[in-house]
Amino acid sequence: GNSVTQMEGPVTLSEEAFLTINCTYTATGYPSLFWYVQYPGEGLQLLLKATKADDKGSNKGFEATYRKETTSFHLEKGSVQVSDSAVYFCALSPTNSKLTFGKGITLSVRP
Amino acid sequence: DTEVTQTPKHLVMGMTNKKSLKCEQHMGHRAMYWYKQKAKKPPELMFVYSYEKLSINESVPSRFSPECPNSSLLNLHLHALQPEDSALYLCASSQPADRYGYTFGSGTRLTVV
Repeated sequence: GNSVTQMEGPVTLSEEAFLTINCTYTATGYPSLFWYVQYPGEGLQLLLKATKADDKGSNKGFEATYRKETTSFHLEKGSVQVSDSAVYFCALSPTNSKLTFGKGITLSVRP
Repeated sequence: DTEVTQTPKHLVMGMTNKKSLKCEQHMGHRAMYWYKQKAKKPPELMFVYSYEKLSINESVPSRFSPECPNSSLLNLHLHALQPEDSALYLCASSQPADRYGYTFGSGTRLTVV
């Protein structure tokens, strides 16, 4: 079946630190891959996406590259801000099938 | 309009009450979803409507009753809920079999007392 594995959290960083959040997946076929972000007390927002191998999704300084050879979609940001504190969910969507989420990871950024 | 609007934002209800959650989108999406999210957990799919017809029910108890009156609206009718049903209820929309992601609403935080 389809599954998404995220690194264990929580993650605490100082402002301007480099961020990597690991995500690997198992799926049949060629799924689309997503990162969603959930700020405290809010719903989910689509942060970035990639629909085929080697695609790089980017938004708000965050990037992730669809690596089919390693079945990964790691999220990176060069310099985090306090406002990036949130829960981050990696997700996949196989063709004609429902969205599958990872467990999520909480990021806290200290001033 | 690129939003999914959910009302109310907060709801407190007793175990004998009947209430409804509402969701509206004007993006022309023809698939709409209800998710339940407990604290510090990922969202769990409850129902999927595709072209206004129920296509997926993830074995949700009958005290939750979805309704899709038209392509822009999605309701979730609640009756005789239990305290363990307290959660954030999220609505989302997309095109059916869309590879470009869902658009989520801000959610309704439900507390059952």
